[in-house]
Amino acid sequence: QSALTQPASMSGSPGQSITISCTGATSDIGRYNYVSWYQQHPGKAPKLIIYDVSYRPSWISNRFSGSKSGNTASLTISGLQAEDEADFYCASYTISGTLVFGGGTKLTVL
Amino acid sequence: QAQLVESGGGVVRPGQSLRVSCAASGFSSSSYGMHWVRQAPGKGLQWVAVISYDGRNTLYAESVKGRFTISRDDSKNTLHLEMNSLRVEDTAVYYCARDPRDGYKGYYFDYWGQGVLVTVSS
Repeated sequence: QSALTQPASMSGSPGQSITISCTGATSDIGRYNYVSWYQQHPGKAPKLIIYDVSYRPSWISNRFSGSKSGNTASLTISGLQAEDEADFYCASYTISGTLVFGGGTKLTVL
Repeated sequence: QAQLVESGGGVVRPGQSLRVSCAASGFSSSSYGMHWVRQAPGKGLQWVAVISYDGRNTLYAESVKGRFTISRDDSKNTLHLEMNSLRVEDTAVYYCARDPRDGYKGYYFDYWGQGVLVTVSS
């Protein structure tokens, strides 16, 4: 199972919105609404921010939102803040019953 | 508050074995699917294995299939990963993670441990 494809890096200024894409295949993202997103700060464990494409855990700000179209999922962060600077990973359940992650996107807040 | 704490990491030679464990607290692990996810130094996340809430379903990434075994001891609220025939490329921080579902389908992780480092080096 190949890793999902994410941009290696993105950047934005405080207050702006950015969208991170995550491209898979008909055997994973295109087949199931089981896409999740995780935020990881340096030296820390990942943290869940979106599950089932667009659902947010109760502890996550509504500045984070998720969507999907075909084989591509997206994470949008609105009103960028300094503390959003981190690595972001998408993940999808696959037809094989396994889970595949994206390569990760390093977000820099300018 | 759910908490996961990994233990058992260390340095081993290629071909050797190691078992890492994950102690759960604040919830009953028998109600949840549980996973191992790893991260090689400076690299991204890689899913390793899942065990269903009832222990009847286990699945592995191709890269570890036949070498790693995931198991659970719900009497001790503990998850294990037995790693055999270790390779240099298995070097990583290993995280255990809780799946709010049953571990049969549609995985995602709402709680993660702090991770334990496994280094395979000659």
